[in-house]
Amino acid sequence: DQQVKQNSPSLSVQEGRISILNCDYTNSMFDYFLWYKKYPAEGPTFLISISSIKDKNEDGRFTVFLNKSAKHLSLHIVPSQPGDSAVYFCAASVTARQLTFGSGTQLTVLP
Amino acid sequence: DVKVTQSSRYLVKRTGEKVFLECVQDMDHENMFWYRQDPGLGLRLIYFSYDVKMKEKGDIPEGYSVSREKKERFSLILESASTNQTSMYLCASTTKWERLRSNQPQHFGDGTRLSIL
Repeated sequence: DQQVKQNSPSLSVQEGRISILNCDYTNSMFDYFLWYKKYPAEGPTFLISISSIKDKNEDGRFTVFLNKSAKHLSLHIVPSQPGDSAVYFCAASVTARQLTFGSGTQLTVLP
Repeated sequence: DVKVTQSSRYLVKRTGEKVFLECVQDMDHENMFWYRQDPGLGLRLIYFSYDVKMKEKGDIPEGYSVSREKKERFSLILESASTNQTSMYLCASTTKWERLRSNQPQHFGDGTRLSIL
């Protein structure tokens, strides 16, 4: 049973608009959440993270929101750029140990 | 900057062969991980190691083993390769657990695309 779910395999957004990527989890023990971005033929690179004691973390164009009661987190990218086109993975961990990853969402930003 | 290097980008092997995938990191990280990435399944943890000669099973260890003889090197071994082990394999490393709180996430190599014929 997947503990971290990304229900949208793909998302297309116009350049300059907001991209919202969603992630749901089932394990209430998760206390640390991350987003990774992956280009083809490269390894995932860390994007942004959030601890369970917070509900929002912002870094430039990227903001992650955490709703613990709904067991839901989302990544907002504003404004979206063509270079943001990649696969985005959300991940979660218990006490900062091994990560459990979602299945990924392919974001395509159209010029 | 952290560097995680996987020895091969592409590898083709035959069913039944013993396959070695090598990973080296240059940041003196205690923890190292092996994942496989498959379409629709994301990244799944095969094995991880938190110290030299130490290893723990991840979510899908069957058909795999690992070796960590030196701190900087973590090897994934397919004892007898099968076609269902055709996949992208990713190695990652990170610092000790307690330092993860200061936002030091796992660093990944570029992956090895392994095909078993």
